[in-house]
Order: sequence, then C-alpha cells, then structure tokens
Amino acid sequence: GEDVEQSLFLSVREGDSSVINCTYTDSSSTYLYWYKQEPGAGLQLLTYIFSNMDMKQDQRLTVLLNKKDKHLSLRIADTQTGDSAIYFCAEPMDTGRRALTFGSGTRLQVQP
Amino acid sequence: DTEVTQTPKHLVMGMTNKKSLKCEQHMGHRAMYWYKQKAKKPPELMFVYSYEKLSINESVPSRFSPECPNSSLLNLHLHALQPEDSALYLCASSQDGQGAWDTQYFGPGTRLTVL
Repeated sequence: GEDVEQSLFLSVREGDSSVINCTYTDSSSTYLYWYKQEPGAGLQLLTYIFSNMDMKQDQRLTVLLNKKDKHLSLRIADTQTGDSAIYFCAEPMDTGRRALTFGSGTRLQVQP
Repeated sequence: DTEVTQTPKHLVMGMTNKKSLKCEQHMGHRAMYWYKQKAKKPPELMFVYSYEKLSINESVPSRFSPECPNSSLLNLHLHALQPEDSALYLCASSQDGQGAWDTQYFGPGTRLTVL
C-alpha cells in the first residue's frame, strides 16, 4: 500500500461521536491499524482489525471495514477533550514486509 | 508491558557532530524499526531489523547508520547531518516482522534538531 488517504481535519463537540475515515490501497492487507498521536508524542496503537471482519468494537471505539471499497473508519463514541490528537490509519507495506504505510493523518479537535 | 523506550527525548546537534539515538524494548520482540516523521506528515520507514539482521533499508543516506547490538536494543548513529534531517525519529518493535498478526508498538520518539 502506497497511498493511504485520510481527510485532514475533523472538529466535533465534546460528547458527540467522531468518525474518521481512511481509504487504503492494498486489498491483500490482512490487518489494518489505527494509531493515535498526541502533540509531541509517539504513536499509540489504538486498535486493529483483521481483514475477515467487518466490524470490531472496543469500548468507545468502533472500527468498520468495507473491503470492497477498501474503506476503513474509526468511530469514537462520547468524544472527550482528551481524544484531541492526530489519528493515523496504517496498513502493512506489502506481503513481503511488515513495516507500515501510514495515511496522512486526521487531526481531531474536540470543542468543550 | 508494551513499552518501547527511546533516549534522548530531544537532541540538538550541529552538522559536524556525531550522535546516537537509542531504543530499547523488553517485550521479547525480534523485529525493530526506525521511522522518520517530519512535521505535519505521517511516519516514513527508514530501517527494519529482524532477528538482529538488517532486512530493509529504505534508501536512507549513509549519514544515518543503524545498529542492532542485541534483540532488545536498536541504535541510530548520526554523522554529518543536514538541517533537513530535523524530525521526530520513532522506534518501533514487533514480534518477529514475519506474520500477518505482527503488530508494531512505538516509542515516544526523539525530536532531533540539526543546526
């Protein structure tokens, strides 16, 4: 996967749901990942989904996968100010390498 | 424990200096990675070590020299860097860099400024 696309910015009010979208390129990707990066910090693994799943729920996080359209989304329920960060989706580079190709990142801003 | 540690947290160096970045993990992982992240950009892969052997070098200039002295440690030696090399350098590790389930865990990064 070489061009993983995300929208650049999302602003929501505290308590609302946030939906961050990602379009990936490699239909053979077996796992797809969501990472969170707070300002000046490293990347925190949030969740991942295996390609034979359509949905995965983990507390406030819901990941939806549409393999036909190569579309991945991350829904954050009851968004809090502490969720303000950049969110990256990522896929393995190719079947021979396990390093990741990242999307451009979506900056989530949560308004109090 | 899913912790990857990196030192130093910040580094400022001149173009003639030699310095090293260090990364450590104690999760028993056998694959370790260096990524470079410029401001407002996603991380980009530099190097991959698998079982202490360099398996991928993404055409990185020779002024960056990686080293994996053992399965827990990863270094990045820096020499004669340019101002455009200023970035956040991220280390990651994963179980073995082989299987489809291989999930990467990242350290907090070293913010490098080259004057």
